[in-house]
Amino acid sequence: DAGITQSPRHKVTETGTPVTLRCHQTENHRYMYWYRQDPGHGLRLIHYSYGVKDTDKGEVSDGYSVSRSKTEDFLLTLESATSSQTSVYFCAINTGFGYTFGSGTRLTVV
Amino acid sequence: QQQVKQSPQSLIVQKGGISIINCAYENTAFDYFPWYQQFPGKGPALLIAIRPDVSEKKEGRFTISFNKSAKQFSLHIMDSQPGDSATYFCAASTGNQFYFGTGTSLTVIP
Repeated sequence: DAGITQSPRHKVTETGTPVTLRCHQTENHRYMYWYRQDPGHGLRLIHYSYGVKDTDKGEVSDGYSVSRSKTEDFLLTLESATSSQTSVYFCAINTGFGYTFGSGTRLTVV
Repeated sequence: QQQVKQSPQSLIVQKGGISIINCAYENTAFDYFPWYQQFPGKGPALLIAIRPDVSEKKEGRFTISFNKSAKQFSLHIMDSQPGDSATYFCAASTGNQFYFGTGTSLTVIP
């Protein structure tokens, strides 16, 4: 969708294991974001990036880290997954006319 | 602290009726107010957006009404159709960061 893909689409992992989600864009936009979506909470910002190696925290960053070594890739890592991190994760790019979102990753931590 | 407050949480409308979703904000620095539509299993997609220098924007059956003095804006869906059944998010931004409402689940009954 509009040059942004997320992988994997679905993942089940065990508590305590590290997990990395990938977001890839083909449009060379500077700003990229990771959100989580939970019922009753809407979309909450985890981390965002404003360039290669330039990242900053969002409102729910605890337990998450990110990396951006190339303009096109923005990785989200759960260092040690917990059940509270079961959620749907969305990556977004800022096109200058608003956000374009990826299709999401449904993560289940058991 | 929720930067954008959205209501109602859920809405059921008969086919052909008008759906109205409301949002309110506090930060007067916000200068862009988009609405996103999300279908199950998909990422949110930009539906319509407005800037604070106009009081209304219409695109087909979708209209944003904006009240700058009250710091409120709303989405009106005229002649609602079953295909409009989705979750709707309002958002507000200043610069490169967007703040989302908690979402409204709209069901249009045939």
